[in-house]
Amino acid sequence: AQKITQTQPGMFVQEKEAVTLDCTYDTSDPSYGLFWYKQPSSGEMIFLIYQGSYDQQNATEGRYSLNFQKARKSANLVISASQLGDSAMYFCAMRGLGGTSYGKLTFGQGTILTVHP
Amino acid sequence: EAGVVQSPRYKIIEKKQPVAFWCNPISGHNTLYWYLQNLGQGPELLIRYENEEAVDDSQLPKDRFSAERLKGVDSTLKIQPAELGDSAVYLCASSFDSDSYEQYFGPGTRLTVT
Repeated sequence: AQKITQTQPGMFVQEKEAVTLDCTYDTSDPSYGLFWYKQPSSGEMIFLIYQGSYDQQNATEGRYSLNFQKARKSANLVISASQLGDSAMYFCAMRGLGGTSYGKLTFGQGTILTVHP
Repeated sequence: EAGVVQSPRYKIIEKKQPVAFWCNPISGHNTLYWYLQNLGQGPELLIRYENEEAVDDSQLPKDRFSAERLKGVDSTLKIQPAELGDSAVYLCASSFDSDSYEQYFGPGTRLTVT
């Protein structure tokens, strides 16, 4: 079984500042993928970044980076230079790359990020 | 390239009525997913299709929920009869295949059962 925990129901950040959204996970799968999605108020889920469990380097995509600490089972999202348009719900998710959790995304509870001008 | 299309975007029905949601995945995507998202929660997988075959429906409440993807392209999710607790957003997603790590989501259908 897989489990994702996001302990921050809401976060606030000043425009142009960096913010870290926390995510911890638990799984028995030997290989897995970790994801972050953004869900604006319009409802669609937007893929942000992916980290494979065997990737040696932390993933980066523009202003997004994933701070992957395998021993701690954490996969925090760092958003640099926050913009007003970053205000949204953010979900951490994982999927196994084999076994019963293959192809299935398991999501956390989400963190609402509010960017202040 | 068109994204995942879902309709309707909103639906309000009375309890015990049937309801159906439609999803058209991105062209060429063989894998299709239906997720349920309750208010303030992350999505939960209901069913996953590989072409026209449902390969994971373990989370689908089969007493009232059904789904089909007859020609391996678009898909319909049905609830009959609907209950108050079914009020949620129903999200459809697609990927090229189950090995693809990126799933593309549609805008969802917001269901309200009164």
